[in-house]
Amino acid sequence: EVQLVESGGGLMQPGGSLRLSCMASGLTVTNNHMSWVRQAPGKGPEWVSVIHSDGITHYADSVKGRFTISRDNSKNTLYLQMRTLRAEDTAIYYCARSPRGIFDFWGQGTRVTVSS
Amino acid sequence: DIQMTQSPSSLSAFVGDRVTITCQASQDISNSLSWYQEKPGKAPKLLIFDASNLEPGVPSRFSGSGSGTDFTFTISSLQSEDIATYYCQQGDGLPYTFGQGTKLEIK
Repeated sequence: EVQLVESGGGLMQPGGSLRLSCMASGLTVTNNHMSWVRQAPGKGPEWVSVIHSDGITHYADSVKGRFTISRDNSKNTLYLQMRTLRAEDTAIYYCARSPRGIFDFWGQGTRVTVSS
Repeated sequence: DIQMTQSPSSLSAFVGDRVTITCQASQDISNSLSWYQEKPGKAPKLLIFDASNLEPGVPSRFSGSGSGTDFTFTISSLQSEDIATYYCQQGDGLPYTFGQGTKLEIK
């Protein structure tokens, strides 16, 4: 059974940094395309970033240059390093497996709030 | 970016009704279209992928159709447990984009 468990969210001030983690079981992170998707309060989901199985990464324009997606093979864990946080980054952040752009398995999400 | 226009934004129907939601892409996305169900406090759940393929374990009352730019999602006989918000999403090109959502309620 596939399980994705996110952690690392919290309350941050604008300009701060945060690293989200997504621990996987039932799948190997390095063998899959893995994405981060966020959902701001009252809004629909927004794709944030993907790391392909070959290690190539892509980002939404809204986070490019501020967020970095990575993975740790030994821990079977996906990460999202978030820097220069803004109020508009406030959202629940989900990790999801995303083969061919299809989000077939999701974690339960971790909440990030950016506020002074 | 590919824009996904979903309608209606909200829908109210009786149990047993046939419910249809549409999604239009701003450019040809072939069949790279997925549908998700989101319930309060839960992550979105994949229902349909590649426009018309039912995800394993999803009830057969859910279906999808379409290709190119125009897509349809149907619940053949609405059940009370189907109350949720539904989203379409294109996976044809980056950035992956979602529709605005359809909030489904029971009359």
